[in-house]
Amino acid sequence: DAGITQSPRHKVTETGTPVTLRCHQTENHRYMYWYRQDPGHGLRLIHYSYGVKDTDKGEVSDGYSVSRSKTEDFLLTLESATSSQTSVYFCAISRGKEKLFFGSGTQLSVL
Amino acid sequence: GQQLNQSPQSMFIQEGEDVSMNCTSSSIFNTWLWYKQDPGEGPVLLIALYKAGELTSNGRLTAQFGITRKDSFLNISASIPSDVGIYFCAGQLINNNDMRFGAGTRLTVKP
Repeated sequence: DAGITQSPRHKVTETGTPVTLRCHQTENHRYMYWYRQDPGHGLRLIHYSYGVKDTDKGEVSDGYSVSRSKTEDFLLTLESATSSQTSVYFCAISRGKEKLFFGSGTQLSVL
Repeated sequence: GQQLNQSPQSMFIQEGEDVSMNCTSSSIFNTWLWYKQDPGEGPVLLIALYKAGELTSNGRLTAQFGITRKDSFLNISASIPSDVGIYFCAGQLINNNDMRFGAGTRLTVKP
């Protein structure tokens, strides 16, 4: 366990509702990431953070926003959830930009 | 984005057999990582490679960083039932340090 906690672990929501996923780390790592995992696609980067209030987009950022107000917390928000955002979401952390360590994931279903 | 081609997609082997899988790309990487994912959990780092030609072992697992910097290989010797899971490669691009993931190899080990 790399000191990463994701919450919730499972969520079912309806199309059009806002959803926020939380990632909490106890490692004081600089970098934090949000990935989504879908069959046949591996892990795809949504957004990442390189410090408090410093974030950048990944390859599949449309429809998602993030915030990092404290070193230990990285929030992923779906402003208006769509069925295409049904996925498993993983948070990851790293000291540098190599050697990512992953949380246990959040299974999100948008109905 | 730059894709990693991981093969095979799945493997069904008998306990005790050796396993080989690989990742290839047209892009050049400065780091290769291999992860294992169990059902309902996040990927766990198995091996990290940092130099072209590097060969690194972790118990029954051995991974190599290809000489061309465009590929990597993972071997598992004398497989056991707990080796079951999905194995992912990840490469850190040399031009921008972004991490890319393969789609995974699903390993099934029959006792």
